[in-house]
Amino acid sequence: QKEVEQDPGPLSVPEGAIVSLNCTYSNSAFQYFMWYRQYSRKGPELLMYTYSSGNKEDGRFTAQVDKSSKYISLFIRDSQPSDSATYLCAMSEDNTDKLIFGTGTRLQVFP
Amino acid sequence: ETGVTQSPTHLIKTRGQQVTLRCSSQSGHNTVSWYQQALGQGPQFIFQYYREEENGRGNFPPRFSGLQFPNYSSELNVNALELDDSALYLCASSPMGQAIGYTFGSGTRLTVV
Repeated sequence: QKEVEQDPGPLSVPEGAIVSLNCTYSNSAFQYFMWYRQYSRKGPELLMYTYSSGNKEDGRFTAQVDKSSKYISLFIRDSQPSDSATYLCAMSEDNTDKLIFGTGTRLQVFP
Repeated sequence: ETGVTQSPTHLIKTRGQQVTLRCSSQSGHNTVSWYQQALGQGPQFIFQYYREEENGRGNFPPRFSGLQFPNYSSELNVNALELDDSALYLCASSPMGQAIGYTFGSGTRLTVV
């Protein structure tokens, strides 16, 4: 079993839809939870990070962490075609530790 | 302020050859980490360099080695290339090794034939 599981998709939604992206994990020592966006032929770009449990909102993006269920989510409201990319969840045990990534979910938002 | 720069962007090598990939870290960042991203997979941690010393290593064989220079730039060397080494190699720099402060480069696409 992988430490971090993520549905690879692809996920195809119409413009304006609410998108839900999820990851599950097995290592209860993970404390930092991140979401990266990766466009084709580019490196990952940090969207949001959360420390421990709870919610965090930034514009159209909301990150949720449920440590009791070992489950994290990223919600995108009012999705735009420019949101079309691969979304990677990543986790680490502490802020100086290596990142463990999920496989990424490919999202396509069509006009 | 510039971001993380990697070179070359693409290269093709033959099985058994050796390759060197280069990374210039973002201004103010003293830690460099290297990740391997196979097609359709998430990045996997290879190793991290801090103050020119290896500071953590993932599950990669010794034929993967690296260097960090006084200006914090870095090299990834891979010896005895295998077909499975074909991947996107990503360099990420961060201030003081903070995982939440990573800035990734666009990567080097290595194809081994």
